[in-house]
Amino acid sequence: DAKTTQPNSMESNEEEPVHLPCNHSTISGTDYIHWYRQLPSQGPEYVIHGLTSNVNNRMASLAIAEDRKSSTLILHRATLRDAAVYYCILTRALGGAQKLVFGQGTRLTINP
Amino acid sequence: DAGITQSPRHKVTETGTPVTLRCHQTENHRYMYWYRQDPGHGLRLIHYSYGVKDTDKGEVSDGYSVSRSKTEDFLLTLESATSSQTSVYFCAISGTTLRVNTGELFFGEGSRLTVL
Repeated sequence: DAKTTQPNSMESNEEEPVHLPCNHSTISGTDYIHWYRQLPSQGPEYVIHGLTSNVNNRMASLAIAEDRKSSTLILHRATLRDAAVYYCILTRALGGAQKLVFGQGTRLTINP
Repeated sequence: DAGITQSPRHKVTETGTPVTLRCHQTENHRYMYWYRQDPGHGLRLIHYSYGVKDTDKGEVSDGYSVSRSKTEDFLLTLESATSSQTSVYFCAISGTTLRVNTGELFFGEGSRLTVL
């Protein structure tokens, strides 16, 4: 299975944009790029996913490199509530169960 | 929020006792999963289910069994709890029978188990 590499931790300030990088140099053509986050004492929460094109939703934006070997999760205006561990995960479209493999993720700290 | 309820949310038990964790969903999702989360290991898949009475092993299934007698309930059982099974356990659900899954899972709030 293709793996992802993320920085262990990042820090940003409240109300500023945050760019969380993810490298996935062995990604295959059918792999989707998913982002989840886990707030303290909660279960992981789906954030966004994409295949080739950049994606936006109410929570974040996902920018995917043209060669798909890296991607960036963008939080446009961080709040204190965005402090969490962010996971970048590759998945494949299946007609069955999705057995997500979580790495260590990036722990994001937001300063007031 | 996805309708997922885990029970109990907290449990302290002694080594050697049986423990059952319950995951209940109101979404009629086909797939259900049990993960455990430990410091330094992240989230790891224990077992999953792809339908009533259809289950399979995940990455760390030793010492655990599961059952799914109804679409809405997925039980995780520790037949004889050990201290190494002290962990936070998360249930997740995904998919319907109507479309291909691309990886969106919905997680419960977790069950914290301490085995003394």
